[in-house]
Amino acid sequence: ETGVTQTPRHLVMGMTNKKSLKCEQHLGHNAMYWYKQSAKKPLELMFVYSLEERVENNSVPSRFSPECPNSSHLFLHLHTLQPEDSALYLCASSQDTRGVEVTGELFFGEGSRLTVL
Amino acid sequence: GQNIDQPTEMTATEGAIVQINCTYQTSGFNGLFWYQQHAGEAPTFLSYNVLDGLEEKGRFSSFLSRSKGYSYLLLKELQMKDSASYLCAAVDSNYQLIWGAGTKLIIKP
Repeated sequence: ETGVTQTPRHLVMGMTNKKSLKCEQHLGHNAMYWYKQSAKKPLELMFVYSLEERVENNSVPSRFSPECPNSSHLFLHLHTLQPEDSALYLCASSQDTRGVEVTGELFFGEGSRLTVL
Repeated sequence: GQNIDQPTEMTATEGAIVQINCTYQTSGFNGLFWYQQHAGEAPTFLSYNVLDGLEEKGRFSSFLSRSKGYSYLLLKELQMKDSASYLCAAVDSNYQLIWGAGTKLIIKP
């Protein structure tokens, strides 16, 4: 198993659909993240979970709803999205939320490419 | 506000050397990361600098000047597989990552 796995890799949905993105990490990390990556823009942090508790929500619209049932799994529930929400959604994990240790890096999944019609 | 600047795109020749620059303005500073992202793949960690100076790791080196708010990633002996986007991210006083938009590096034979 690779470190961080995301499914589905590609998703096309209408504005009235409800879908979910799934992320699983096999690294024994305590923190998990959702990022939005749009072309030629910086990564946008959406949500952070530490030990299954949400520690940050960067003013993300309520049509995005995260869920972290345990330290290995993270979901992003999507409903009534807008075309401008089309992007690559990256999940990442780190040892903890501070992440600034000797290595302190984030481990990313390959992302879920979302297209909203 | 907090900001990271890096070139949008660079082109280099196989076998050559390329330097990708990154300047940052953050509230406090707790280090700077470089990540590599191939098209359609996950970003992967390349380096982390918190002290001034150059750190070498094989063909890749990363430099930091805290007084100038400046870092660069140096890639030597370029290979076609180095074609990718390179993301710069600074860590602010709250240990938040401030990301640049990435530099797309194109390697030509």
